[in-house]
Amino acid sequence: QVHLVQSGAEVKKPGASVKVSCRTSGYTFSDHFIYWVRQAPGQGLEWMGWINPKSGGTNFAQKFQDRVTMTRDTSINTASMDLSNLGIDDTAVYYCARRKRHDAGHYYTYYFDHWGQGTQVSVTS
Amino acid sequence: SYVLTQPPSVSVAPGETATITCGGDDIGSKSVHWYQQRPGQAPVVVVYDDSDRPSGIPERISGSKSGNTATLTITRVEAGDEAAYYCQVWDATSDHDLFGGGTKLTVL
Repeated sequence: QVHLVQSGAEVKKPGASVKVSCRTSGYTFSDHFIYWVRQAPGQGLEWMGWINPKSGGTNFAQKFQDRVTMTRDTSINTASMDLSNLGIDDTAVYYCARRKRHDAGHYYTYYFDHWGQGTQVSVTS
Repeated sequence: SYVLTQPPSVSVAPGETATITCGGDDIGSKSVHWYQQRPGQAPVVVVYDDSDRPSGIPERISGSKSGNTATLTITRVEAGDEAAYYCQVWDATSDHDLFGGGTKLTVL
């Protein structure tokens, strides 16, 4: 059974950095990209970027290009997301999710079939 | 930049049908996926590739697409369907993903 288990809640001051980890199990870690999505209080889902566990390659939403780093440790099947220079508006629940490829014959697409439980990151002075 | 537009809220009585829309330019050329998010929980995919249902999702929940609008339909709505619903597409050119703003379904 597929599981994504995230690290615990964090409280940070403005300007600090935070690292959230996502430990996976129940499947071959290198076979599926890991995505990071955040949700500010009372707001919708915001895509941040992904990491390819096989190559370590990454792709970020433009909004986070300068502040986010995504890494993986294949020895422990874990992906991590670092966000630097935190501001008050970075207060959110951060989710990791597994990307699933769906082959429809003449095309393919991707969606998120398993999610972590979420990690609350609070930025407060 | 590409935008997916959803109504902020939809309200229906138990047993009725809820319809949630997701609009976007040229959405007909993209695969649309739908997620249900109950309060305090992580999202769960309920429809992928416009109209396919993962195992365990009831047949009361279905997806469709016509023109520039994708639609999530929930028939015989129950109290447990009360949640936020998000549409999502993947852009092949940039390998980026985008979510709609979400629709809060209230069961009256």
